[in-house]
Amino acid sequence: SQTIHQWPATLVQPVGSPLSLECTVEGTSNPNLYWYRQAAGRGLQLLFYSVGIGQISSEVPQNLSASRPQDRQFILSSKKLLLSDSGFYLCAWSLGGQRNEKLFFGSGTQLSVL
Amino acid sequence: TQLLEQSPQFLSIQEGENLTVYCNSSSVFSSLQWYRQEPGEGPVLLVTVVTGGEVKKLKRLTFQFGDARKDSSLHITAAQPGDTGLYLCAGVRTGAQKLVFGQGTRLTINP
Repeated sequence: SQTIHQWPATLVQPVGSPLSLECTVEGTSNPNLYWYRQAAGRGLQLLFYSVGIGQISSEVPQNLSASRPQDRQFILSSKKLLLSDSGFYLCAWSLGGQRNEKLFFGSGTQLSVL
Repeated sequence: TQLLEQSPQFLSIQEGENLTVYCNSSSVFSSLQWYRQEPGEGPVLLVTVVTGGEVKKLKRLTFQFGDARKDSSLHITAAQPGDTGLYLCAGVRTGAQKLVFGQGTRLTINP
């Protein structure tokens, strides 16, 4: 069966510090991978998605970047965090090439930038 | 502007009552999904509907896709405290590739 791991669960970082959130998927090959951000108890905003190694699409201009160094690894990064980067970050995967993509989410990272 | 509008945004009812939450759009969707999310966790997929007029049941939850494929509803019968959570609808617009999410309905079932 497929599983998705996302860490850390919580993170408190000072403004201007770097960020690295990691997500790995097990039990499937060549998944589509996604990073979402969620404002407190609200809907999800797509930040990045990837259909393969080294292929990253950015949905919104922002202070963050993403990388996919391996097939089942997706990393969200920032060189210098802003207060506005605080939020709940979710990694997700789906089977590639399917029209009705079903997303499977990690357990999220609550990021607080102080 | 939200492509998918969910209503109500907040709903608090007593255990045993029935409720319906809605997900509406002016766009046509090839499919709509419903997720439930608990605090501090990622959303979990409940159901996908793909055919206009389709009705799917998951125990006490009934999901319906509108005939024109522009809206969906989730009806819960005899709500229980375990139904508490954030309910998110998400869909793929006809001709598009990626999911878009509604802003969610925060449901609280009081014992």
